[in-house]
Amino acid sequence: DAKTTQPTSMDCAEGRAANLPCNHSTISGNEYVYWYRQIHSQGPQYIIHGLKNNETNEMASLIITEDRKSSTLILPHATLRDTAVYYCIVRPPRANSKLTFGKGITLSVRP
Amino acid sequence: NAGVTQTPKFQVLKTGQSMTLQCAQDMNHNSMYWYRQDPGMGLRLIYYSASEGTTDKGEVPNGYNVSRLNKREFSLRLESAAPSQTSVYFCASRPTKTDTQYFGPGTRLTVL
Repeated sequence: DAKTTQPTSMDCAEGRAANLPCNHSTISGNEYVYWYRQIHSQGPQYIIHGLKNNETNEMASLIITEDRKSSTLILPHATLRDTAVYYCIVRPPRANSKLTFGKGITLSVRP
Repeated sequence: NAGVTQTPKFQVLKTGQSMTLQCAQDMNHNSMYWYRQDPGMGLRLIYYSASEGTTDKGEVPNGYNVSRLNKREFSLRLESAAPSQTSVYFCASRPTKTDTQYFGPGTRLTVL
């Protein structure tokens, strides 16, 4: 799987948008970008994924640059419950085995 | 749907004791996984099962065995627990046509 690079931490104010960056400069043409998060003491939770088009669901938006070497996860209106570690993962489709979680980025949402 | 459930939530063992961690999913997923997570580290895959009746080793299988009892259940057994197996264990499942994995709440295991 392609390596990803994320900042260690960031914070944002409650109600504001949280923009979480991820670099994946060695991504291959068929590899998807996935985002998961892990709230303290809970199991990881799937957020969103994409190949090259921007994607949006009820949780977040994913913006992938045209060269696909980086992406941004956007939480449009962050709440205190969004405080978590967010993982950016790149992997080919139909990969049967593990997800490779790096250290992720710790998002702290302040009141 | 309950999703992915794990039992027990917490367990304390003495070195050399054995135990089985249980995992079940009610989403009719074919693939199931066992991970461990240690402080400050990402998740590491212990074993996975692509379908009922098959299991494969992940990156850290030593000291563990698994059983895919049926499509719903995938158990992880520690035959002789060691302090190095103190960790949080997560089970996950995945539907056939996607790469999205759905995780359980975890089992926090301490081996003294």
